[in-house]
Amino acid sequence: KAGVTQTPRYLIKTRGQQVTLSCSPISGHRSVSWYQQTPGQGLQFLFEYFSETQRNKGNFPGRFSGRQFSNSRSEMNVSTLELGDSALYLCASSSTSTSGGGRGTQYFGPGTRLTVL
Amino acid sequence: DAKTTQPPSMDCAEGRAANLPCNHSTISGNEYVYWYRQIHSQGPQYIIHGLKNNETNEMASLIITEDRKSSTLILPHATLRDTAVYYCIVRVDNQGGKLIFGQGTELSVKP
Repeated sequence: KAGVTQTPRYLIKTRGQQVTLSCSPISGHRSVSWYQQTPGQGLQFLFEYFSETQRNKGNFPGRFSGRQFSNSRSEMNVSTLELGDSALYLCASSSTSTSGGGRGTQYFGPGTRLTVL
Repeated sequence: DAKTTQPPSMDCAEGRAANLPCNHSTISGNEYVYWYRQIHSQGPQYIIHGLKNNETNEMASLIITEDRKSSTLILPHATLRDTAVYYCIVRVDNQGGKLIFGQGTELSVKP
């Protein structure tokens, strides 16, 4: 089974621009979660989508948004980019909504490295 | 905040067992312990998880104490490719997909 794929792998933008990142989950997985990783803050949860609905949200400003399509693919968008948005953006998929019982192990993609200049 | 405490770094000789400890003294009865590792700048890789019984798979073994307040991840024969940051995570079930990562343990496997 193919793993989680993320595109693009690398991206360079300038302040004020917006960016859209894409994530294709493992086939059959319906839950997609997004994380941001920076050297200063580590890995932080952004949001989770399940069946096209946002199920959970981390503590990030409204400039960070996402959506999920009927085929479970997900995109996240960051508007009005700031220097501090430079990070590795990771998505993870799991086979069920990840609430309850420890089910739904999350499998991560390779990430998109975003650099904001 | 992460609900786990791990040593920031550890060394292990190649071919020897690597034992990575994790403290999770406030774990709730229905929370699982998950382990992931991250090799430099790659996505985290799932290793193993458990509730209260010891678990083993092709990658590692997970030993959870009877009171569930701590656990140990065991890599039985560490190789240079096991050099990575290892994260111990307590799964907050009512928080949906949210995994709360701490700082992890940076394991260096040396020849």
